[in-house]
Amino acid sequence: KNEVEQSPQNLTAQEGEFITINCSYSVGISALHWLQQHPGGGIVSLFMLSSGKKKHGRLIATINIQEKHSSLHITASHPRDSAVYICAVRTYNTDKLIFGTGTRLQVFP
Amino acid sequence: GAVVSQHPSWVICKSGTSVKIECRSLDFQATTMFWYRQFPKQSLMLMATSNEGSKATYEQGVEKDKFLINHASLTLSTLTVTSAHPEDSSFYICSASPGAYPDEQYFGPGTRLTVT
Repeated sequence: KNEVEQSPQNLTAQEGEFITINCSYSVGISALHWLQQHPGGGIVSLFMLSSGKKKHGRLIATINIQEKHSSLHITASHPRDSAVYICAVRTYNTDKLIFGTGTRLQVFP
Repeated sequence: GAVVSQHPSWVICKSGTSVKIECRSLDFQATTMFWYRQFPKQSLMLMATSNEGSKATYEQGVEKDKFLINHASLTLSTLTVTSAHPEDSSFYICSASPGAYPDEQYFGPGTRLTVT
């Protein structure tokens, strides 16, 4: 079993829909990252969380440390949100990130 | 926000040649830089971690003589793929972490290497 699991693996949505992507992890962490990777390959860091909730525009990220779970929400989704969303965790006492396998999101007009 | 650049963005080389990829932090000092490779439809795989002025730490299974990493300054790390083979064709991504905020990592746009 992977230390970082994401669900769903693939997600399609109609423009305007509310989207949730989930991330569960089994290790102790100091921080959790949500990353976005567009078809061209470049990665954009969306959020870094260690507790609570963060919001940036239409994106919201939450984390529950006790339950070892994080969610990424996209409100009013748009075709330009189509990308792979990756959850990654930084474990205690290490610089390394452990990556989930990603969620491929397609938003249709 | 913090910006990390990579150069080149794509490169095609012949088997047996060497290729150098640069990773630069443009507006912050990166005490630690990370090199990843990514195969199609797979997640990122950490190759090595480098700290400025010291030797890189390679992950298990990554040949340090084949993938030479140099972190000569606080804003520049280079990855040289030596004697490239077609199986080295991949997407290489670097990230950089500012020393004061070790939890933060900023990713470069990646370099697509094709070895013919």
